Amino acid sequence: DTAVSQTPKYLVTQMGNDKSIKCEQNLGHDTMYWYKQDSKKFLKIMFSYNNKELIINETVPNRFSPKSPDKAHLNLHINSLELGDSAVYFCASSQDSNGNQPQHFGDGTRLSIL
Amino acid sequence: AQSVAQPEDQVNVAEGNPLTVKCTYSVSGNPYLFWYVQYPNRGLQFLLKYITGDNLVKGSYGFEAEFNKSQTSFHLKKPSALVSDSALYFCAVRDDNYGQNFVFGPGTRLSVLP
Repeated sequence: DTAVSQTPKYLVTQMGNDKSIKCEQNLGHDTMYWYKQDSKKFLKIMFSYNNKELIINETVPNRFSPKSPDKAHLNLHINSLELGDSAVYFCASSQDSNGNQPQHFGDGTRLSIL
Repeated sequence: AQSVAQPEDQVNVAEGNPLTVKCTYSVSGNPYLFWYVQYPNRGLQFLLKYITGDNLVKGSYGFEAEFNKSQTSFHLKKPSALVSDSALYFCAVRDDNYGQNFVFGPGTRLSVLP
């Protein structure tokens, strides 16, 4: 069973479109994250939710809006996609919210903007 | 704010030889240190962590890391490298003065040559 699953795995779309990426974890974890990995493999945290509440909100454009309907799901909606949004987006989860426990990552969503 | 450096973009080692992947960090409080490994087209996988206690930490797949407070380092080591260890390795740090926010290093690509 996949612990952290993201859909879709690949997303190719036009500039200006709106798209969503879904993430689900079946580990019973309380905290979920979204990361962006650029073409040089740099990994940067975007958001973190604990029990459906936002706890980390890094400097990310307002076009990015996370939504957590329950603690097992953290979706990412992106409005008005731009070329610079092309990247791999990773969802992750961890058992606690204080950063002492390891994070479990999904396999990523590869977003390409044409 | 916290930062982490991995001074080598690429490390090459022959199979059976010991390997070291370097990581140095900068924090204002106490560091929480992690190593992750990323295989192609996959998410990051947790290897080991240092929170407190013994400076030598043992982790998955025969890896270990030594926390050195005076040198602000947390180098990843393995006594005998395998070809299957070839991957991208990330060091991450959390500064307990800055809440739950993690910072990842730029990654080091390890190539183990048969």
